[in-house]
This record gives sequence, C-alpha cells and structure tokens, in this order.
Amino acid sequence: NAGVTQTPKFRILKIGQSMTLQCTQDMNHNYMYWYRQDPGMGLKLIYYSVGAGITDKGEVPNGYNVSRSTTEDFPLRLELAAPSQTSVYFCASSYSGGANTDTQYFGPGTRLTVL
Amino acid sequence: DAKTTQPPSMDCAEGRAANLPCNHSTISGNEYVYWYRQIHSQGPQYIIHGLKNNETNEMASLIITEDRKSSTLILPHATLRDTAVYYCIVWNYGQNFVFGPGTRLSVLP
Repeated sequence: NAGVTQTPKFRILKIGQSMTLQCTQDMNHNYMYWYRQDPGMGLKLIYYSVGAGITDKGEVPNGYNVSRSTTEDFPLRLELAAPSQTSVYFCASSYSGGANTDTQYFGPGTRLTVL
Repeated sequence: DAKTTQPPSMDCAEGRAANLPCNHSTISGNEYVYWYRQIHSQGPQYIIHGLKNNETNEMASLIITEDRKSSTLILPHATLRDTAVYYCIVWNYGQNFVFGPGTRLSVLP
C-alpha cells in the first residue's frame, strides 16, 4: 500500500493563479481531509469528506473548493491564489466506522508559496 | 477554544524515557485522547489513543489520570529519531481533530 499520496510536493504560484492539489489514498478509507499548516502552528482543517459525493467545510474553507467523485481521490482547488494561502497542505484519510477510532493517516504534504 | 494544553517544548536525553504531559480538564465522558507526532516537515503520524484505561503499543505508553483531566505520553527509550512535535488531541465521533501547537521534543545525544 502506498497509503496517502499527494502531488505536487512543491509549487510556486503567482497571485490570482489557480491550481489543484491532488490527493489519493489506496486504503479504501471513507473519510478524507485537507489541512493547512502555517509556520510554527498546528494544522487547521480546510474541508473534509465522509464519502464519495459528500463534502463539508472545516475551520478555514474560504478560498478553497473540493470535490469527491471517487473513494480514492480528494482534490483541493485554489481558484484565485493569495499570499495568505502560502502554507503546507496535508491530506489525510481514515476509516471512521463510527466506533471508537478515527486514526488518520497523513500524506507527505504539498508546500505552496504564493508570490 | 483549545481543548488541550501542552508545554511548548521539552528536552530529553537519548536513551531515557520522555514523558510528555497534556492537560484536558474539560474532557467529556465520550471523548478520546489521541497522540500524534510530526517529524520535521512530514505529515503527522499516529502514535496511540485511549479513553480511560492506560494503553501501550510498540511506540509508546499512554497514562490517563483517573479523573481523565490529564494524560502523559511516555516514550520509554527516546532516540534521536523521536525528535518531533507531539500533539495531544481530544476527540469524539462526529468531531473534527483539532491540532494545537503541540510540544516540541528535542532528544539530545
């Protein structure tokens, strides 16, 4: 199993450009998440999905969009990049069976700089 | 509002036990205590979780006080590779994980 993979690893955008951060998991997890992490800070949840076709906002959704057409993929879209979106983006997945566990598995991250 | 409080940083000598504390005085009965760590700039890595009993796995031990208002993550024999930021998270089904600033553990040779 590759686990959670993210592409690209690094990206530099100009203000106003758009891009899609890709995330794929091969663990057949129903839940997927997008977080951002600013320097020296903890992770903040952007969006999450509890299954294909279902997404919901997290703590900091403004400026981002997501879609979940398959169980495996959960892309994050930035439409009009702004310097405030300079951050490291982590994708995660979990099998939340509704019981007592929601162990999240994280990808290696995408480091995004907006100039 | 943060549900957990952790010291910003700690040092530990290589080979010794690292004891990382976490306060969660407002924890409710159904909420679990999770620990993750983040090595350098990698994605966070799951370590252990528990509800009220002490837990142990191949990575660490989790000691939860009887009143559940605090817990301690124990790395029994810290190595240089354990240098990381450690996050204590209180979670229940239906909630989102909230990662605070964590504790930066430095394992010293």
